[in-house]
Amino acid sequence: SQQGEEDPQALSIQEGENATMNCSYKTSINNLQWYRQNSGRGLVHLILIRSNEREKHSGRLRVTLDTSKKSSSLLITASRAADTASYFCATDDSSYKLIFGSGTRLLVRP
Amino acid sequence: NAGVTQTPKFQVLKTGQSMTLQCAQDMNHNSMYWYRQDPGMGLRLIYYSASEGTTDKGEVPNGYNVSRLNKREFSLRLESAAPSQTSVYFCASSEARGGPVEQYFGPGTRLTVT
Repeated sequence: SQQGEEDPQALSIQEGENATMNCSYKTSINNLQWYRQNSGRGLVHLILIRSNEREKHSGRLRVTLDTSKKSSSLLITASRAADTASYFCATDDSSYKLIFGSGTRLLVRP
Repeated sequence: NAGVTQTPKFQVLKTGQSMTLQCAQDMNHNSMYWYRQDPGMGLRLIYYSASEGTTDKGEVPNGYNVSRLNKREFSLRLESAAPSQTSVYFCASSEARGGPVEQYFGPGTRLTVT
């Protein structure tokens, strides 16, 4: 079963706009990660936020985590056509395993 | 430094045939994983190997077997392929020795079972 559920399932924005996607999960976590997948490729790690952190930044990415609501959001600022991809959240409970959500498909129109 | 490599990239099998998907990593990672991804969905864990010499079932292990050949290599075997196993298979590795489990993925194997 999927632990994380992303929302929305699909998002279409204009280049230069910000993109926000959300992830909800069901059980307690140790870390939450976001990955990007370009069409037909493997996943690429973007950012990891620990359960005791509330916000983290990496370049144009901003991730927030609200453990009381069991949710996280990924904000991509000033989006580019190259950001077109699927984005997945993944959680771990301090085991060796990650559980992935079903993903948000982002389309950035030039 | 190639990261995680997978072979083959594409494969077509007939129902009942067997095959082995190969995966290797050159990052000296302890843990390795096999996932499948069906259209429009996230990844589901088939099997994983937390460290050399150990393997464990994931969420969808039925119809698959794995071998952790050494620290670098982790193979996935389909003994008798079924159309329901048509999917894209990804191998991943991580340095998961009590720390964060950021994973590094291979490019995938697209498998079609007819």
